[in-house]
Amino acid sequence: SQQGEEDPQALSIQEGENATMNCSYKTSINNLQWYRQNSGRGLVHLILIRSNEREKHSGRLRVTLDTSKKSSSLLITASRAADTASYFCATALSNTGNQFYFGTGTSLTVIP
Amino acid sequence: GAGVSQTPSNKVTEKGKYVELRCDPISGHTALYWYRQSLGQGPEFLIYFQGTGAADDSGLPNDRFFAVRPEGSVSTLKIQRTERGDSAVYLCASRLGQGTEAFFGQGTRLTVV
Repeated sequence: SQQGEEDPQALSIQEGENATMNCSYKTSINNLQWYRQNSGRGLVHLILIRSNEREKHSGRLRVTLDTSKKSSSLLITASRAADTASYFCATALSNTGNQFYFGTGTSLTVIP
Repeated sequence: GAGVSQTPSNKVTEKGKYVELRCDPISGHTALYWYRQSLGQGPEFLIYFQGTGAADDSGLPNDRFFAVRPEGSVSTLKIQRTERGDSAVYLCASRLGQGTEAFFGQGTRLTVV
């Protein structure tokens, strides 16, 4: 079953604009990961944020985590056409072992 | 190896046949995961190994699905009496341990005709 839910389901922006995707989950987590997927095949790991962290950066990516609201956001700044992909959050739940569960994903289209 | 390797990359089989999907994790990664992804959906958890043992197989949809990891490295996902509904991309991931990044292979696209 899927524990997270991304919002919006689809997002279309112009190149150069910022893209924000949100992930909401239902139960306490140990950590949360964001992934990118092109063409329905391999997932590329972007950022892992732990439950005691509030914000992490990696290049043009910024991830925030609000455990009180059970939500996370992924911000891509100065988007490029190559950022076009599906983005997923994956939550490692506190009451499970080492498993992690994916959300439904956000499909991002960056228009050149 | 440099990354997670899955073979074959594509598999077409007839309904009712048996298939095996292979995953070679990153060397030294003790945790290994199998997921299944249907078109337009997020990856669905199937099974997780810690070392040689299946720590959690609660995601396997029914008893036609089975996975092994006999030496704590390579894993094989086995599907008996395949059905058309089994058609999906099967993804494998590995990680060093809890709280670390998980890395995915390119997946095996299984098509049951």
